[in-house]
Amino acid sequence: ELKVEQNPLFLSMQEGKNYTIYCNYSTTSDRLYWYRQDPGKSLESLFVLLSNGAVKQEGRLMASLDTKARLSTLHITAAVHDLSATYFCAGETGANNLFFGTGTRLTVIP
Amino acid sequence: ETGVTQTPRHLVMGMTNKKSLKCEQHLGHNAMYWYKQSAKKPLELMFVYNFKEQTENNSVPSRFSPECPNSSHLFLHLHTLQPEDSALYLCASSQVGPTDTQYFGPGTRLTVL
Repeated sequence: ELKVEQNPLFLSMQEGKNYTIYCNYSTTSDRLYWYRQDPGKSLESLFVLLSNGAVKQEGRLMASLDTKARLSTLHITAAVHDLSATYFCAGETGANNLFFGTGTRLTVIP
Repeated sequence: ETGVTQTPRHLVMGMTNKKSLKCEQHLGHNAMYWYKQSAKKPLELMFVYNFKEQTENNSVPSRFSPECPNSSHLFLHLHTLQPEDSALYLCASSQVGPTDTQYFGPGTRLTVL
């Protein structure tokens, strides 16, 4: 079974600062996903990373994938309050099976 | 309605009750999923339906019974639940293919007394 570990679990950062969330996974994963979840809301898809070296950016968020290191990162640039949420990464082992990390709860403070 | 919808949004039931959760996707996808989200635990995949056929059952207790009558609807039938089954139950759908991103519904918050 694919194990996915995220760190940190909790992150409090000031507006305007940069930070990175790390996602390690235990075995080969076909794809790597990043999701966002606001309190009381469902999961919203952010990125799908398909191959080694893949990098995707949307606004202040940038995700990358290193399949050799079994590591994905979600980099936050110049954080703003609207980015406060819980971020999940998930690996996939074929047949649509997603294995999620425990999530990183991000709080951006003024 | 757009996206993935779930009803009810909140459900409180006793251990002897029988209830059902409903999920409907309006995205034309061909795969649907049930997940359980408990406090302080990762999301757990419960069931996968691919083209209306169940392809995964990740050791879920038999008190949870899925039903997928067509590619747009998915049910989770509940009976004789335990308090530890209290959780947020999320439905998702996807179009099986190269990116296969799963789109999630808002969830049903279940409390078992």
